[in-house]
Amino acid sequence: AQSVAQPEDQVNVAEGNPLTVKCTYSVSGNPYLFWYVQYPNRGLQFLLKYITGDNLVKGSYGFEAEFNKSQTSFHLKKPSALVSDSALYFCAVRDVTTDSWGKLQFGAGTQVVVTP
Amino acid sequence: EPEVTQTPSHQVTQMGQEVILRCVPISNHLYFYWYRQILGQKVEFLVSFYNNEISEKSEIFDDQFSVERPDGSNFTLKIRSTKLEDSAMYFCASSVSRGGNQPQHFGDGTRLSIL
Repeated sequence: AQSVAQPEDQVNVAEGNPLTVKCTYSVSGNPYLFWYVQYPNRGLQFLLKYITGDNLVKGSYGFEAEFNKSQTSFHLKKPSALVSDSALYFCAVRDVTTDSWGKLQFGAGTQVVVTP
Repeated sequence: EPEVTQTPSHQVTQMGQEVILRCVPISNHLYFYWYRQILGQKVEFLVSFYNNEISEKSEIFDDQFSVERPDGSNFTLKIRSTKLEDSAMYFCASSVSRGGNQPQHFGDGTRLSIL
């Protein structure tokens, strides 16, 4: 079975400071990992993905994430947060070594609050 | 940029009534999904659909639920006899392929309120 944990319900950061949103995962095989962002009254917007290769992946809006296989983590980062980054962030995993090719397993979400 | 569109944005229905949620996936996408998010809870997978048949469904997707692609553009989720616990945000998603390197693209959702 696959699962995702986002240990922080909320992350508070001042504008201009680095932002990190944590995610750990559990899959029986190889993971494909994703980050999505949700703004109020909107759907989930794709930010970035890890499939294979370089452990540091870059995505939209200056976000990046680092895959760490030994720690089974995929933390989302941004060097300098903006007030407009305030939103709900979801980590998701897909175990592509099973027949469950379409099912994304989401974490509970982390609310990011960036203060001016 | 192409988007997944969902209608209506908000649906209010009496318990026991049937409801149909509609989605127009991105035009060149072949794989379709429904997820739901009960207020304050995780986004949960309901069903995946390809080539006019269900590929996978979760334990939530019981006999009250059905999906259909009635024409070349729409993808619908029907709940036959709604219950109070069906109140949630329902998201449609689509992807161009089933390969893991292709992300699913989500619509803005339909908020379903059962009275």
